[in-house]
Amino acid sequence: GQNIDQPTEMTATEGAIVQINCTYQTSGFNGLFWYQQHAGEAPTFLSYNVLDGLEEKGRFSSFLSRSKGYSYLLLKELQMKDSASYLCAVGPGSQGNLIFGKGTKLSVKP
Amino acid sequence: NAGVMQNPRHLVRRRGQEARLRCSPMKGHSHVYWYRQLPEEGLKFMVYLQKENIIDESGMPKERFSAEFPKEGPSILRIQQVVRGDSAAYFCASSLRLAGSSYNEQFFGPGTRLTVL
Repeated sequence: GQNIDQPTEMTATEGAIVQINCTYQTSGFNGLFWYQQHAGEAPTFLSYNVLDGLEEKGRFSSFLSRSKGYSYLLLKELQMKDSASYLCAVGPGSQGNLIFGKGTKLSVKP
Repeated sequence: NAGVMQNPRHLVRRRGQEARLRCSPMKGHSHVYWYRQLPEEGLKFMVYLQKENIIDESGMPKERFSAEFPKEGPSILRIQQVVRGDSAAYFCASSLRLAGSSYNEQFFGPGTRLTVL
């Protein structure tokens, strides 16, 4: 089966660092994506990992371990506007559809 | 460069009516994906289309749901005889697939929120 797990909710303080974990079990693997989704809005692309290791992009970094079926999204210097849901998604095959986790709702508090 | 466009943004239907959701992909994108998001649930893949072709409809319910992406015009997701359980946000995404590439960043539209009374 296809399964992607991530925590339902997290809370962090403005200026801090937060790590959102994602584990996956899929029939195939063609890359792992992180998306940000503010309430009532479209998901927006944050990062893509297909090889093991850390990808850094400004305040956001994403890590992948294919052997462990594990990824995390690291957000540094948290800002209030980072309050949103963070969606982990896996591309299981060549067809292109993505399998999404249920999302992690992050609340950033002053 | 306009992003993915969806309309209507909000749609209210009574049980038994038909719902038509439209999606115009980003300029130059010929790959369209439809996802459904139920409250407190993740996005669920429904169907993947290219111009005039359905590539993968494994996530689409077998009855009442259909999708098309004609040569001209937007992609349409059609739900016949809607039921309350169809109430959800329906997102369309488009991508630019490069031959031989595994990278498939999908750009999402703002979604259509369907409410069935």
